[in-house]
Amino acid sequence: GESVGLHLPTLSVQEGDNSIINCAYSNSASDYFIWYKQESGKGPQFIIDIRSNMDKRQGQRVTVLLNKTVKHLSLQIAATQPGDSAVYFCAENYEPLEGKLTFGQGTILTVHP
Amino acid sequence: DGGITQSPKYLFRKEGQNVTLSCEQNLNHDAMYWYRQDPGQGLRLIYYSQIVNDFQKGDIAEGYSVSREKKESFPLTVTSAQKNPTAFYLCASSHPGQGWDNEQFFGPGTRLTVL
Repeated sequence: GESVGLHLPTLSVQEGDNSIINCAYSNSASDYFIWYKQESGKGPQFIIDIRSNMDKRQGQRVTVLLNKTVKHLSLQIAATQPGDSAVYFCAENYEPLEGKLTFGQGTILTVHP
Repeated sequence: DGGITQSPKYLFRKEGQNVTLSCEQNLNHDAMYWYRQDPGQGLRLIYYSQIVNDFQKGDIAEGYSVSREKKESFPLTVTSAQKNPTAFYLCASSHPGQGWDNEQFFGPGTRLTVL
């Protein structure tokens, strides 16, 4: 089965609201996590990453939180805009020595004007 | 501009034919990866290469083959042995870091349809 999964497959929000997308991971040895955004018909784009020695990292309008105790990752998007509508994937460095990433199934975020 | 290119964007194939998808990067990355994405699903790793002239099977390598003769190129061949090849194929590359900052940069993808 998937080592990385998402609690909510779809999320609908109003423009201007804050969005929270969740992700669970199973491998406590994973030491690096990434959030990607994928628009329809395009390749995934990097949003933000976090290392396992951190609990929180902020970017422009986005924040990633890592809770190693419960193996949970979340992406917070502030003041969500219609352009944020996409599929969001979390990924973990499941096999650190191999440099491979394992991806979750994704959450579809829809932002209504 | 540095980046990853994939060609063609759309590809049609008849059953029983082999087809090769191109992936080129000018980011000077050592590692390259091929993923398959089916509608409404995540990315599944087909093959990856950490260095020139070396590659490893991913989770769904059956029916696929790759080569890594040059650092900047990692072509994927979808063979007739792949039972359900219609999918969106994504190529990625990264620095060879092990465990840290292993962000993968993705190409625009190739959508393969078997007729």
